[in-house]
Amino acid sequence: NAGVTQTPKFQVLKTGQSMTLQCAQDMNHNSMYWYRQDPGMGLRLIYYSASEGTTDKGEVPNGYNVSRLNKREFSLRLESAAPSQTSVYFCASSDGGWKAYEQYFGPGTRLTVT
Amino acid sequence: TQLLEQSPQFLSIQEGENLTVYCNSSSVFSSLQWYRQEPGEGPVLLVTVVTGGEVKKLKRLTFQFGDARKDSSLHITAAQPGDTGLYLCAGDPQTGANNLFFGTGTRLTVIP
Repeated sequence: NAGVTQTPKFQVLKTGQSMTLQCAQDMNHNSMYWYRQDPGMGLRLIYYSASEGTTDKGEVPNGYNVSRLNKREFSLRLESAAPSQTSVYFCASSDGGWKAYEQYFGPGTRLTVT
Repeated sequence: TQLLEQSPQFLSIQEGENLTVYCNSSSVFSSLQWYRQEPGEGPVLLVTVVTGGEVKKLKRLTFQFGDARKDSSLHITAAQPGDTGLYLCAGDPQTGANNLFFGTGTRLTVIP
């Protein structure tokens, strides 16, 4: 039982390049989330998907797009990377509904944009 | 704007000492959680509190939710080096939104 997995673990991009961060969960959870974590800022929600087929913006969605491919997978795409997107990105999942607050996190992707 | 403020930001103590970290807000939360994060890993859920005044214990860790559901504290008794990590509180505000707001964290170091 792997829980939440993320790929890649590390990535370096040049400004303007694009990439997709992959996330998958094997807990049959309904809801999935993408966060970024920056020093002194805590975890900030980028996008979330309350259930398969739906996505919603979080606190910091600009410069990102997401796809809820199926119930297991939720990807985050950077179309044109900027240095301000240098961060650690975490994917999380939860059962949704009243249990939305019990979130399970992946190991993170460390992204550097030069 | 940070909904949740955590204090202190950094804490370094000797093994065996007691400590308390705080999570404060001006907003009311339906529930509040504490997570611990170790370097290079994602946060791991420790506890959820949902009732004002609720106290939960997890071995040497005691969590309390404020009566007004705006704040919480985490007390560690006889800290161990294994307690070292970043402690994050997260709140589920009474907005109906299906997401959490996280505090900036307290980075705890327990020196052997």
